[in-house]
Parts: sequence; structure tokens; C-alpha cells
Amino acid sequence: EVQLVESGGGLVQPGGSLRLSCAASGFTVRSTYMTWFRQAPGKGLEWVSTIYSDRDDGTIHDAESVRGRFTISRDNSKNTLYLQLNSLRAEDTAVYYCASGGLWFGEEDFWGQGTLVTVSS
Amino acid sequence: DVVMTQSPLSLPVTLGQPASISCRSSQSLVYRDGNTYLNWFQQRPGQSPRRLISKVSTRDSGVPDRFTGSGSGTDFTLKISRVEAEDVGVYYCMQGANWPLTFGQGTKVEI
Repeated sequence: EVQLVESGGGLVQPGGSLRLSCAASGFTVRSTYMTWFRQAPGKGLEWVSTIYSDRDDGTIHDAESVRGRFTISRDNSKNTLYLQLNSLRAEDTAVYYCASGGLWFGEEDFWGQGTLVTVSS
Repeated sequence: DVVMTQSPLSLPVTLGQPASISCRSSQSLVYRDGNTYLNWFQQRPGQSPRRLISKVSTRDSGVPDRFTGSGSGTDFTLKISRVEAEDVGVYYCMQGANWPLTFGQGTKVEI
């Protein structure tokens, strides 16, 4: 059974850092596309970052709003996806979801339950 | 970036009656492979999103056949033939033809 479990969210001051984790089971993160989305409180969905499979050279796409501040990565030995969040701003406050699969072009997708990041002083 | 515009943003529905959501993109979603990468997601209250439909009209596994996607180019529609109580939530269209991936604002379906 495929499962994605996010962790690492919490309260952080503006300018601070966090690392989000997405532990996968039932498949290997290196073998598929992995994506982070976010949803600010009461708002819609926003794509954040995608990392391609090893077979596709691990290409990364980032949203312009997070480029240079957030970094997506994975640890194949731990079968875990990460999102390093630096220079956090109030507008980064959101529930962050990880998802597997090329969901934008029709591959089977799975989503985690989300982890809340709150940026506030 | 491709701008996705949904309407209406709020959709009061009656159980057993049909419902329809429109999604328009600022440019064609036809990719160079000939496919049109328009997806529909459902987010029930308190839950993670779930994709219902990919490539305009392909229902995901387990999605009831009362959900139908249609459209082409820049103009798309999600129809629910007979609304059930479990359909309450927010529906988003999302384009996958160009980076960055972009979503519509969401349509809140409520009884």
C-alpha cells in the first residue's frame, strides 16, 4: 500500500528555516516524480516544487515565489522526500502536501495528509 | 504563466440535481505530444486533494461515473450528473501542459 507521511512543520519566525520530510512506503521515491504543493489557510492550492525520477535525471522545477529559498531533494536510502525552507516569510504560512506520480500528465497520484508551517513572530 | 480561471467560485447544489463547473486557461493546454493536460481535483473538507480526472476526461480509478470532464483547447467543464452529499468540497482545475503548474481558484460546492 502506498503511503506518504509528511512531518517537520511548525511555528517559525520570519527569516527562519525548516525542513519538511515526506516518508514514502509502498514505492521508491527515486523511481517517480515527487512534488510539493501548499495551501495557505482558507486559500487554494499552489504548486511549489517537483523533482523528476532518477531515470529522468532528477530534474527540478520550482515556483518563482520560492526559487532561491526552498530546495527540494530526496534521500533514496531513506525513501524520503524533503523540502528545505529558508528565509521564510509570513506568506509561506500554509499546509504543505507532498504527492507522488506525474499527476499533471495522468500518472497515478498519491498525496500525504499535509504538514502545517506557520511563519510568525 | 498559464492562468486558470474557474466559474462559479461558489456553487450551491441540490442533492440529486446536476452541477457544472467551468475552467478556462489563458493559453492552449495541448502539449506537443497531442495530449491536453487538464486535470480536475476534489478536496473534501479537512482532507487532502484527490485527482478525479486527468487529460480532460479520463476518470481516475474509483471515481464515480457521475463525474464527467469535457472540453478542448482552453475551455473545459466538470459535470456532476447527480450530486450526492459526499460531493461537497472544493474543486480545482489544474493545467499540466506548461511549467509552472497552475490551479484555478477553486469552486466551493455546497448543498
